[in-house]
Amino acid sequence: DSGVTQTPKHLITATGQRVTLRCSPRSGDLSVYWYQQSLDQGLQFLIQYYNGEERAKGNILERFSAQQFPDLHSELNLSSLELGDSALYFCASSVGGAGTGELFFGEGSRLTVL
Amino acid sequence: AQTVTQSQPEMSVQEAETVTLSCTYDTSESNYYLFWYKQPPSRQMILVIRQEAYKQQNATENRFSVNFQKAAKSFSLKISDSQLGDTAMYFCASRNSGYSTLTFGKGTMLLVSP
Repeated sequence: DSGVTQTPKHLITATGQRVTLRCSPRSGDLSVYWYQQSLDQGLQFLIQYYNGEERAKGNILERFSAQQFPDLHSELNLSSLELGDSALYFCASSVGGAGTGELFFGEGSRLTVL
Repeated sequence: AQTVTQSQPEMSVQEAETVTLSCTYDTSESNYYLFWYKQPPSRQMILVIRQEAYKQQNATENRFSVNFQKAAKSFSLKISDSQLGDTAMYFCASRNSGYSTLTFGKGTMLLVSP
């Protein structure tokens, strides 16, 4: 158990809909990262938050947004869903915001868009 | 930008044998970190081993060791005495010290057979 909690584990929805994925980082970790894993694109970095502020942004679509709350949990919002958004979405956390330590990953949220 | 390349999509090995997974990377930074993550069928991303680029000594964690060739930008993973539980997708990843993004390769699927 990495200590990173993601909900829901599985989610099935229809095109055009909006979903919210939730992540609770390990106790004491200030950084939260979101990754998307799909068969054709592999593991793609989406966005990082550090202590409530956006720290880095990767290949995140404009239809997607995220935030980190004062209690350090994070939410990834996916809107106007398309079939191609079907993927495994990982949340990870680390103590700091810079690249010195490893990331600890949650079990992922499997999103299926029909 | 960092890139990580894993040229072996799949590999197989028999129990108790040794296998080496290849990884090359490209970065313009002088200080960075390299990782191998394992993703078993449970899909959890698990850190296997990490290497700091400024350390010349190869990292070792029990049956797992790396061959870090900094000049060649190569970072291979050797698994000794392979076990059935080693069956998983293995991802090589790199992270610059001053940046937050963890960049992954496409992965190598390792199958350990009896």
